[in-house]
Formats: sequence, C-alpha cells, structure tokens
Amino acid sequence: NAGVTQTPKFQVLKTGQSMTLQCAQDMNHNSMYWYRQDPGMGLRLIYYSASEGTTDKGEVPNGYNVSRLNKREFSLRLESAAPSQTSVYFCASSEFRSSYEQYFGPGTRLTVT
Amino acid sequence: QKEVEQDPGPLSVPEGAIVSLNCTYSNSAFQYFMWYRQYSRKGPELLMYTYSSGNKEDGRFTAQVDKSSKYISLFIRDSQPSDSATYLCAMTGGTSYGKLTFGQGTILTVHP
Repeated sequence: NAGVTQTPKFQVLKTGQSMTLQCAQDMNHNSMYWYRQDPGMGLRLIYYSASEGTTDKGEVPNGYNVSRLNKREFSLRLESAAPSQTSVYFCASSEFRSSYEQYFGPGTRLTVT
Repeated sequence: QKEVEQDPGPLSVPEGAIVSLNCTYSNSAFQYFMWYRQYSRKGPELLMYTYSSGNKEDGRFTAQVDKSSKYISLFIRDSQPSDSATYLCAMTGGTSYGKLTFGQGTILTVHP
C-alpha cells in the first residue's frame, strides 16, 4: 500500500497564479484533511472532508477551495496564489472523522513569489 | 493565546539522555492526546496516544497526561540519534472531536 500520496512534491508559483494540489489514499479511509505547516505555527487545518460528498472549513480556509472527488481523492485549489500561501501542505486521512490517528502524506512545498 | 502551546526548542541532547517534551493546553474538553513524530521533509506519523489522564509506556517512550494541570509530556529514555525529529503534540475532544489541534512542534537533535 502506498498510503497517502501527494502531487506535486515541489511547486513555485507567481502571485496571482492558480494551481491544484492532488491527494489520494488507498486505505479505504472515510475522512481526509488538508493542513499547512509554517515555522512556529505547527499544523493548521485548512479544510476537511468527513466523508465522501462532504467538505467543511477548518481553521484557515481563506484563499483555498477543495473537492472530494471520490472516496480516494481530495484536492486543494489555490485560485489566486499569494506570498502568504508559501508553506508546506500536508494531506492526511483517517478511518473516520472521530479517529484520533491520521495518516499523513509526504507534503508539497509551495513557494509563491 | 493558542489553544495548545509547545516549546519549539530546538533541543539538543547527547545520546543516552532522557528527553522531556511538553505541551500545555487551555481547552478542558480535550480528551485524546497524541504525540506525532516528523522526520525532516516527511509527513508526521503517530507515535503514541493517551485517552484522558494517566501514563502510557511503549518501549523507550512514555506519555503522561495531567488533565487537572492541562499539561502533557512525552519522555524518551536512552535517546538515540534516530530519535532526532520534530515532535508534535496533538489533541481533540468536546466540540472539536475529530479535529486535531496541534502544538507548534519541538525540534529534537540527539548527537552521538
């Protein structure tokens, strides 16, 4: 099993450009999450999907949109990138929303210039 | 004030030392307490979890929760260079159940 996979691994964008970060899991998990990690800030939840067909805002949703394409895939879209969105983005999944154990992908390092 | 506070370090110790990592929190509804380990340029992975107050031991690792003080700790005995990583505390419970709130992470280096 690959677990949680993310593409791309690295990306550089110019201010105002858009892009979609892809995430897929092969563990048949119901819930999926997008976090960003910044120095000194820990992991902050952007959006999550408790189950297929549902999405909800997390702590820092502004500037992002998500799509739960099917049970396996959960994408994060930046419509108009800003330098403040320079960060490392992690996708995670868990069996259920109530599960305390989340499985993380390897991350996407995004730089917005 | 953040809901979860964790000393970011960095912490540098010699091999074989006992390491103590700590978090404080403000939300008394938190009931599940986790420690995640994150190696450089990797995603976090669950190391240990504890439900409510008490201690839990797993090999060289011991997790402690003191709900009365809103304080959790992770102890690493006989630390090894392979323990060098960032350690993140996380917790959930109450109306936040299912959503993890993370500390800032503590960077630990164990040198031979």
